[in-house]
Amino acid sequence: EAGVTQSPTHLIKTRGQQATLRCSPISGHTSVYWYQQALGLGLQFLLWYDEGEERNRGNFPPRFSGRQFPNYSSELNVNALELEDSALYLCASSRAPTSGGEDTQYFGPGTRLTVL
Amino acid sequence: AQSVTQLGSHVSVSEGALVLLRCNYSSSVPPYLFWYVQYPNQGLQLLLKYTSAATLVKGINGFEAEFKKSETSFHLTKPSAHMSDAAEYFCAVSEGGLNFGNEKLTFGTGTRLTIIP
Repeated sequence: EAGVTQSPTHLIKTRGQQATLRCSPISGHTSVYWYQQALGLGLQFLLWYDEGEERNRGNFPPRFSGRQFPNYSSELNVNALELEDSALYLCASSRAPTSGGEDTQYFGPGTRLTVL
Repeated sequence: AQSVTQLGSHVSVSEGALVLLRCNYSSSVPPYLFWYVQYPNQGLQLLLKYTSAATLVKGINGFEAEFKKSETSFHLTKPSAHMSDAAEYFCAVSEGGLNFGNEKLTFGTGTRLTIIP
């Protein structure tokens, strides 16, 4: 069974540009989560999508946004890039939260975004 | 609000020695607890999880962790370290499944494990 996939592996942008990161969840998973792993800041929760809806959002400005498509894949968009947006962006997926009981988040390999 | 504290950002052990990585959590409801491992330039791999069943949880690669409610701890151990265990380890807590909308994981700051030959 294929795991969570992310593209691209690396992305280099300049300040003020927009970045689009993509994530495909494990087959059968409907929830997608985005996390930012920035140097010195650790892993921070960004966004959670389930069934096409944004369910929860971390403490990030509105220029971080995303969406989830009918096939449950997801896109993270970062507008007006700043130097401090340079980080590894990790996507995770899990089964529907209402499937009963806990569910585990499985992570993709990440997209490393560098802002120059 | 939930939080995780990992004591020791760097831990070094000799090959064959006991590995002990510490994690303490704070949660307003009974938590779900996880340990993930991250190898260089890779994503996170689940090692093990606690979800209110047995307090001693066994994971992959010979790791295990014990949930101690009285100490609010979930320390990770392995009896005998291998060179391949060198990586960064993250403890995480979630309140998901109990309170819809709280499925996010809150991570500790990580512990980098170095194995000395």
